[in-house]
Amino acid sequence: DAGVTQSPTHLIKTRGQHVTLRCSPISGHKSVSWYQQVLGQGPQFIFQYYEKEERGRGNFPDRFSARQFPNYSSELNVNALLLGDSALYLCASSLVGRGHTEAFFGQGTRLTVV
Amino acid sequence: AQKVTQAQTEISVVEKEDVTLDCVYETRDTTYYLFWYKQPPSGELVFLIRRNSFDEQNEISGRYSWNFQKSTSSFNFTITASQVVDSAVYFCALRPNMEYGNKLVFGAGTILRVKS
Repeated sequence: DAGVTQSPTHLIKTRGQHVTLRCSPISGHKSVSWYQQVLGQGPQFIFQYYEKEERGRGNFPDRFSARQFPNYSSELNVNALLLGDSALYLCASSLVGRGHTEAFFGQGTRLTVV
Repeated sequence: AQKVTQAQTEISVVEKEDVTLDCVYETRDTTYYLFWYKQPPSGELVFLIRRNSFDEQNEISGRYSWNFQKSTSSFNFTITASQVVDSAVYFCALRPNMEYGNKLVFGAGTILRVKS
């Protein structure tokens, strides 16, 4: 079975531009979460979606938005990119319900803003 | 507020040594979940172990073992007979009791270097 897949794997953007990152969850997983990992730090929670609804949001500005599609894939959008947005963006999927707590991560999208 | 602290920034060991990674957490939830993830240079976070707050039994899985002590809010992770392939960044994470999906609070990570 395929794991969590993210695209693209690497991306270089200029300050002020917009970027869209994509994530396909493990088959059967209806929950998708996004994390930002700045070099040398632990991942920081950005969003969580379940059944196409936002279920949680981290402390990120409104420039960050996301959505989940009927097939449970997800997009993370970042507008007006800043140099500080340079990071590894990780997507995780999971089952939902009692006992289903493990999140499985994709390989990430490494975004560089210049 | 939820918080995870990994006080060890970097650990270096020689192959076949045992190594313990420390993790201290803070939460007001009575039910929560704790995890250890491994991040090799490729970047993908690999799930290793999970512990529920209502089960303090410590376990061993192959070369991995963990020590969960609710009284001290600690969730330490031990690799026995370390190997070079264990070199990676290890993250401890806390998941509050949520009805839907996952919001994980990660520590800053511990870099483990295993030398041959």
